[in-house]
Amino acid sequence: GEDVEQSLFLSVREGDSSVINCTYTDSSSTYLYWYKQEPGAGLQLLTYIFSNMDMKQDQRLTVLLNKKDKHLSLRIADTQTGDSAIYFCARRGFSGGYNKLIFGAGTRLAVHP
Amino acid sequence: DAMVIQNPRYQVTQFGKPVTLSCSQTLNHNVMYWYQQKSSQAPKLLFHYYDKDFNNEADTPDNFQSRRPNTSFCFLDIRSPGLGDAAMYLCATSREWSGQETQYFGPGTRLLVL
Repeated sequence: GEDVEQSLFLSVREGDSSVINCTYTDSSSTYLYWYKQEPGAGLQLLTYIFSNMDMKQDQRLTVLLNKKDKHLSLRIADTQTGDSAIYFCARRGFSGGYNKLIFGAGTRLAVHP
Repeated sequence: DAMVIQNPRYQVTQFGKPVTLSCSQTLNHNVMYWYQQKSSQAPKLLFHYYDKDFNNEADTPDNFQSRRPNTSFCFLDIRSPGLGDAAMYLCATSREWSGQETQYFGPGTRLLVL
């Protein structure tokens, strides 16, 4: 399977919470990230979590990390139409002597009234 | 206000005709990256520069090359584009290599090969 896996699509009603899930294979990953990509735009870093943490909260965003299961999730509270975008999970890997980001394929979040 | 600028936003080229994509940054960051993102796929790192030190990913095709003439600019050259090279090309920068360093992405250049 792929190194970082995400479900491809999530649809939620405006005002509800969204939970986007991600699994990864390399347990040595030190940092895990969530990026947001709006149509026609580049990737914007939303938040990240260090591997010695279980949870990180930043306003409407909550990141949960289950190291045992190698599972990362992003919860968006009170989801708004402006949250519609593609969300990428990424982990920091190490290759050829350098750190690099390894991305999942992205989850497209659609928010409907 | 733009920190990572990519030109052009859309590029159309012909099969086999060399093309150059441009990236510039106002952040004075040491590291610049080029990613390829095909439709519904993850961004894939092609190569990066740490200052003038070039680092190629092992599976980046020879058809792809890069130049960084100074801190602010980095170019992606595709010597003989094939239909399979049609994709979004993303440039990113970071101050350093450490795990906490944020990568700042440009808006991308969408390449179409006819």
